[in-house]
Amino acid sequence: SAVISQKPSRDICQRGTSLTIQCQVDSQVTMMFWYRQQPGQSLTLIATANQGSEATYESGFVIDKFPISRPNLTFSTLTVSNMSPEDSSIYLCSAGTGPGHNEQFFGPGTRLTVL
Amino acid sequence: SQQGEEDPQALSIQEGENATMNCSYKTSINNLQWYRQNSGRGLVHLILIRSNEREKHSGRLRVTLDTSKKSSSLLITASRAADTASYFCATPTGGGNKLTFGTGTQLKVEL
Repeated sequence: SAVISQKPSRDICQRGTSLTIQCQVDSQVTMMFWYRQQPGQSLTLIATANQGSEATYESGFVIDKFPISRPNLTFSTLTVSNMSPEDSSIYLCSAGTGPGHNEQFFGPGTRLTVL
Repeated sequence: SQQGEEDPQALSIQEGENATMNCSYKTSINNLQWYRQNSGRGLVHLILIRSNEREKHSGRLRVTLDTSKKSSSLLITASRAADTASYFCATPTGGGNKLTFGTGTQLKVEL
């Protein structure tokens, strides 16, 4: 298993600004993912954070809007750029320990409100 | 439409009763997972059932999988107020470990 922390836990931001969310895992993991959960909705995968290379984005998400870094096997960041009220969501990171271990472990989430 | 659709969307029961949630999916899978989310917080993995399994138990949880109908159910027996949460099914997609989540069932267990 893996224990995941996220910072900040919540934030209120102004339109047009950017916020970087940090995700720290207590052990080295193969896979890290970023999800968005809009109010009252399910989770939607934004991207897979790849260690040492560019993230792999899902349809509808682009690097300019959601740049992601993953400098090592325990840490990743997601930036929400040029925010608008529609970006108000919970952002969650998760980790998977790789082939043969299908379950994912989730951080507590970052609740973002954009005014 | 979504890979995983769940019903009911919301369920309210009394403590001690059983709660059943259903999940339908569209593509072939090698496993299906259930997660719980307490009030907008992170998700907790509950149970994984593989495509060659029909039923699996974990404590008060019982999961079934019918690959011919592309459906799964989660049964929580003898529910407690602490079981109040949203429950999501999830299936691997696109190869690797990516997950697609269902629409979720919001369970409320009243005293």
